[in-house]
Amino acid sequence: DTGVSQNPRHKITKRGQNVTFRCDPISEHNRLYWYRQTLGQGPEFLTYFQNEAQLEKSRLLSDRFSAERPKGSFSTLEIQRTEQGDSAMYLCASSHGFRDRDNEQFFGPGTRLTVL
Amino acid sequence: AQKVTQAQTEISVVEKEDVTLDCVYETRDTTYYLFWYKQPPSGELVFLIRRNSFDEQNEISGRYSWNFQKSTSSFNFTITASQVVDSAVYFCALSVSGTASKLTFGTGTRLQVTL
Repeated sequence: DTGVSQNPRHKITKRGQNVTFRCDPISEHNRLYWYRQTLGQGPEFLTYFQNEAQLEKSRLLSDRFSAERPKGSFSTLEIQRTEQGDSAMYLCASSHGFRDRDNEQFFGPGTRLTVL
Repeated sequence: AQKVTQAQTEISVVEKEDVTLDCVYETRDTTYYLFWYKQPPSGELVFLIRRNSFDEQNEISGRYSWNFQKSTSSFNFTITASQVVDSAVYFCALSVSGTASKLTFGTGTRLQVTL
């Protein structure tokens, strides 16, 4: 399977716990994005990487959120001290090009987080 | 700032009917890109199409067609002879040049196709 993969697919945690999600992009893709999707809404941009560099973070990404992409391959998204409002689907996407015209993003299946 | 509006929250049609999903966008940028994605019940977003702002030519792919009109800031999606497998949530999205292609999504239109 050469698509974007995400693990775990589901995560249930108690409020205050830390959680970490992993995303493996399509292997030749340089850009990696994280989005968050709540019920009945479209995905919202959180952050993005160009290779290993995190180049932009949304205001939605509070200090409790951190993302990394070591060596420009897989990426992790960590949420510290989870809150019930963090419950959502976390989507990872990757895209091939450096140019805007090569910018279609391919999405993984998502990690559904439930904070009790 | 960019905005995408999908006014139709939910549409229900009978199989073989044609259906059009509306998308209206807002941006001050002159170079931008419009997308449609499909999200079936499994949850994974599936890329359907990208259009560039400087190319208003309509596109047809099998039963799918897209009508891009800059004059009305619309990028509508038509499914001809709908099938049950078309049942999904469809999202319209926008990115503008120079923003690393981050997508701004609409709220989606849920399409239910019944027999």
